Amino acid sequence: GQQLNQSPQSMFIQEGEDVSMNCTSSSIFNTWLWYKQDPGEGPVLLIALYKAGELTSNGRLTAQFGITRKDSFLNISASIPSDVGIYFCAGILQYTGANSKLTFGKGITLSVRP
Amino acid sequence: NAGVTQTPKFQVLKTGQSMTLQCAQDMNHNSMYWYRQDPGMGLRLIYYSASEGTTDKGEVPNGYNVSRLNKREFSLRLESAAPSQTSVYFCASSSGWGRGSNQPQHFGDGTRLSIL
Repeated sequence: GQQLNQSPQSMFIQEGEDVSMNCTSSSIFNTWLWYKQDPGEGPVLLIALYKAGELTSNGRLTAQFGITRKDSFLNISASIPSDVGIYFCAGILQYTGANSKLTFGKGITLSVRP
Repeated sequence: NAGVTQTPKFQVLKTGQSMTLQCAQDMNHNSMYWYRQDPGMGLRLIYYSASEGTTDKGEVPNGYNVSRLNKREFSLRLESAAPSQTSVYFCASSSGWGRGSNQPQHFGDGTRLSIL
């Protein structure tokens, strides 16, 4: 089945730095999603991407839907302590006339040193 | 705006006990989902309901049952809890599922369940 690869499992950055995460797959996806999960809470949708090549921003966050439709990137600029959390990518594969399938990556835990 | 509400937030059970986890959404979404989250495993789909009146198995359905009570509510039942079911359970909803739908899912804050 489809798998989404996120690595490394953990990232440590200094406050104020930019950070980039990517998510790759051997399969093509029609939609890419990025979620953030804070400790003790559920994942919260950050950005949704619906078209190959699409570049979308949400404040200091920017995400891109890869041209090959097999990858996506999330960039966080000028990191702050509240950026700490787990970042998940997810892909939706739409089947014609059948149920769509949503697949999650295993997440990257981001730590920000003040 | 409550979004997706899960109850209870925490629960401890003994092996063999039964338990129902409740989930309700107020976004008028058609589709609802139950996931479990374990360390190093990410989110795994247990069951989903594409629309009111339908339910289907996900990736890890064994040991669970679900009920789509109405459009708002989707419950998850453990009939005979086992230690392997210790996990954090998340409910999610989306406006569409199936037939080409690509709408993102919105999650509740989870139920932390421990089975002794």
